[in-house]
Amino acid sequence: DIQMTQSPSAMSASVGDRVTITCRASQGISNYLAWFQQKPGKVPKRLIYATSTLQSGVPSRFSGSGSGTEYTLTISSLQPEDFGTYYCLQHNSYPRTFGQGTKVEIK
Amino acid sequence: QVQLVQSGAEVKKPGASVKVSCKVSGYTLTELSMHWVRLAPGKGLEWMGGFDPEDGETTYARKFQGRVTMTEDTSTDTAYMELSSLRSEDTAVYYCATEVRGSYSPFDYWGQGTLVTVSS
Repeated sequence: DIQMTQSPSAMSASVGDRVTITCRASQGISNYLAWFQQKPGKVPKRLIYATSTLQSGVPSRFSGSGSGTEYTLTISSLQPEDFGTYYCLQHNSYPRTFGQGTKVEIK
Repeated sequence: QVQLVQSGAEVKKPGASVKVSCKVSGYTLTELSMHWVRLAPGKGLEWMGGFDPEDGETTYARKFQGRVTMTEDTSTDTAYMELSSLRSEDTAVYYCATEVRGSYSPFDYWGQGTLVTVSS
């Protein structure tokens, strides 16, 4: 099974900050990597899939990059509504696996 | 546009089973690959299992093998997830999540979630 190691587990940042979250796969996943945002009590929302394809309607301050085993979600300028927990998901093979999550708080 | 509507909240005793449903509209189940994901209190999202269109089989996460069964009723476009031998650690919100088969666009659509509480 592919393990996804996500870091950091939590962070606090100010509005306007650049935020970076990383996921490392235990083996290559051929860019089949998606990112989700979940706010408390809400359904997860997909932000990005296939490493860098932005979901329709998601603000352009969100971007994804990476290859092989290392992938990154970047928020170029953090906004107050960006609080929540972010998860990566590898969809290269079964069983699918999520990262452990990164809780983002606004200072 | 796919819509997924899940069954309501459940309260179960330890050792019991729970069966959660997920009704599909906008597509038929045969056009979709259905998965189940859960979120337990204080934990992260956890993939439980889902349909792999490449081999036509449902694959389960190792952690749940032997305790979970995922089925589909194509006559009503309803998917089911049954979890048995419940313990307190299974208290969680359970989601169905789906994608169009072959799209490589994972989990575009989610159900609203079903809270399952396991308590004596």
